[in-house]
Amino acid sequence: DAGVIQSPRHEVTEMGQEVTLRCKPISGHDYLFWYRQTMMRGLELLIYFNNNVPIDDSGMPEDRFSAKMPNASFSTLKIQPSEPRDSAVYFCASSYPGLGTQYFGPGTRLTVL
Amino acid sequence: SQQGEEDPQALSIQEGENATMNCSYKTSINNLQWYRQNSGRGLVHLILIRSNEREKHSGRLRVTLDTSKKSSSLLITASRAADTASYFCATVRTGANNLFFGTGTRLTVIP
Repeated sequence: DAGVIQSPRHEVTEMGQEVTLRCKPISGHDYLFWYRQTMMRGLELLIYFNNNVPIDDSGMPEDRFSAKMPNASFSTLKIQPSEPRDSAVYFCASSYPGLGTQYFGPGTRLTVL
Repeated sequence: SQQGEEDPQALSIQEGENATMNCSYKTSINNLQWYRQNSGRGLVHLILIRSNEREKHSGRLRVTLDTSKKSSSLLITASRAADTASYFCATVRTGANNLFFGTGTRLTVIP
């Protein structure tokens, strides 16, 4: 298995633009997580899905952020409109039911100018 | 959303020395996990210890868990320059399916 795949790896955009981050979880994993990591706030859980259904989105910072999981092999995190304070590394992770071990993707480094 | 704290925040040692990192958490847990993050990369799972276990080994890694004190430690023996990374503890709370990460310890191993 190729592991969790994220695209793009780097994204530079201007304030106000829409940004879409993509994630392909490991096949067979029922859980998918979106995280944001910054120096100031560390690693934050934004939202997670179980069997494509959002379970907890309490970490989503505001309405500008939305996440979808239309099927078991694909998820998106969208920011519209983007702001400079959204600059961070966004990670996607997946896991199977049980002990909760998560497998992380390589991350998307987002820079909003 | 962070569950706990790691201590120290940063640690610098010479190659060959042992490195010890500590983690404290706040609620009852199913298990506690340690992850490593190399600069610019995603987190990688290292080791998991269940709430009914007190110690676990994996290669040069030794993890202890004290549920009465809500704390854990990660020991890396005979450190190598390649061990330079950030190390995070994460807990799975009782009844939950997601991880709660600590703040991380930045380990630097000097060759």
